[in-house]
Amino acid sequence: AQSVSQHNHHVILSEAASLELGCNYSYGGTVNLFWYVQYPGQHLQLLLKYFSGDPLVKGIKGFEAEFIKSKFSFNLRKPSVQWSDTAEYFCAVNEKRADNYGQNFVFGPGTRLSVLP
Amino acid sequence: GAVVSQHPSWVICKSGTSVKIECRSLDFQATTMFWYRQFPKQSLMLMATSNEGSKATYEQGVEKDKFLINHASLTLSTLTVTSAHPEDSSFYICSARKRGVIADTQYFGPGTRLTVL
Repeated sequence: AQSVSQHNHHVILSEAASLELGCNYSYGGTVNLFWYVQYPGQHLQLLLKYFSGDPLVKGIKGFEAEFIKSKFSFNLRKPSVQWSDTAEYFCAVNEKRADNYGQNFVFGPGTRLSVLP
Repeated sequence: GAVVSQHPSWVICKSGTSVKIECRSLDFQATTMFWYRQFPKQSLMLMATSNEGSKATYEQGVEKDKFLINHASLTLSTLTVTSAHPEDSSFYICSARKRGVIADTQYFGPGTRLTVL
């Protein structure tokens, strides 16, 4: 069965610091990869996704992620965080199937990011 | 866009009563919707996969007779928590799968907070 791990449970940064959140998955086949963000009191929103092609994916709000297949990783990065980036970040993986339906998502445990003003 | 709504956003009920939660995809058709449960400071736990026009597929350990799922149309799925008890108190989140050219993406509803007294 697939599993997704996220390296840090809670990350605390000051504004303007650079961010990297780790995500590793266990599935050996072809996968689709996602990062979702959940701001306090709000629902999950899609930050970015990787299906194929350029392994460096750019998402909304200045976030990007790099898919490194050999490391089974999909780390999320942002060069300079803002206070408004304070949120819970979830990595998710699903198996890529030939019919493109995909299997169910497997979510990582989440990383709480606190950005200090 | 891809907007998913849930209703109600929060509900308080007495032990032993049943509660129905609706999940709607507002601007796209979703043959598949998913129901998750999120405990405080934890990741999402998939409860069941709701397929339009057929029976839901439940994850291991989820009581199908307690959590009734109906997917009556391509834009609506409902979760009914029957004979709710305090341990059912949680945050319930639905998502809808939107078909894409390359792969699918899940879009999440805002969640429903259920409190059982």
